[in-house]
Amino acid sequence: GIQVEQSPPDLILQEGANSTLRCNFSDSVNNLQWFHQNPWGQLINLFYIPSGTKQNGRLSATTVATERYSLLYISSSQTTDSGVYFCAVRAAGNKLTFGGGTRVLVKP
Amino acid sequence: GAVVSQHPSRVICKSGTSVKIECRSLDFQATTMFWYRQFPKQSLMLMATSNEGSKATYEQGVEKDKFLINHASLTLSTLTVTSAHPEDSSFYICSASNPGQYGYTFGSGTRLTVV
Repeated sequence: GIQVEQSPPDLILQEGANSTLRCNFSDSVNNLQWFHQNPWGQLINLFYIPSGTKQNGRLSATTVATERYSLLYISSSQTTDSGVYFCAVRAAGNKLTFGGGTRVLVKP
Repeated sequence: GAVVSQHPSRVICKSGTSVKIECRSLDFQATTMFWYRQFPKQSLMLMATSNEGSKATYEQGVEKDKFLINHASLTLSTLTVTSAHPEDSSFYICSASNPGQYGYTFGSGTRLTVV
């Protein structure tokens, strides 16, 4: 099956800093989503982005499908950005495969 | 729109008992729902795909007799952990695809502790 790798696994940021999270996948995909899992476990959908670039406030994402990677940018980070960020993809069929996640801690 | 409600959020049960977790699509019909399991500090692993009106499709290594899935209506899927043991303690999350939107929406998860 498709492999999804996220980097870095852990990230510590000072409040106000910018960062880039990366998601590499091993095959062509027809669905790619970025999620933020909060401390209570809820998965919040950040972006549906199988290709192209999208922005939502301080977050933006870019997927280069031909090169099989996606990037999530966090600008002017805040403590509320802490949590785990997951990339998930769908190749054939309807199953989402998750990457290992990036655990982000934003310090005040 | 596209809200998925999952209950209970937390449950503690005794070893050997069964626990049922419900996943409801509140404002849309979901012919397919998905059940995931997440261990502490790990990613989500797909357990099974729940199909309305038919049998669930289980991933390799998931015991279908232990994790019973029922999808009797277009808005409700249930996961029953039968004869639970401490090693079944985990975070269980359901999801559904969003008609008219893109991507998948997730429930808030159920933290199961078997004592």
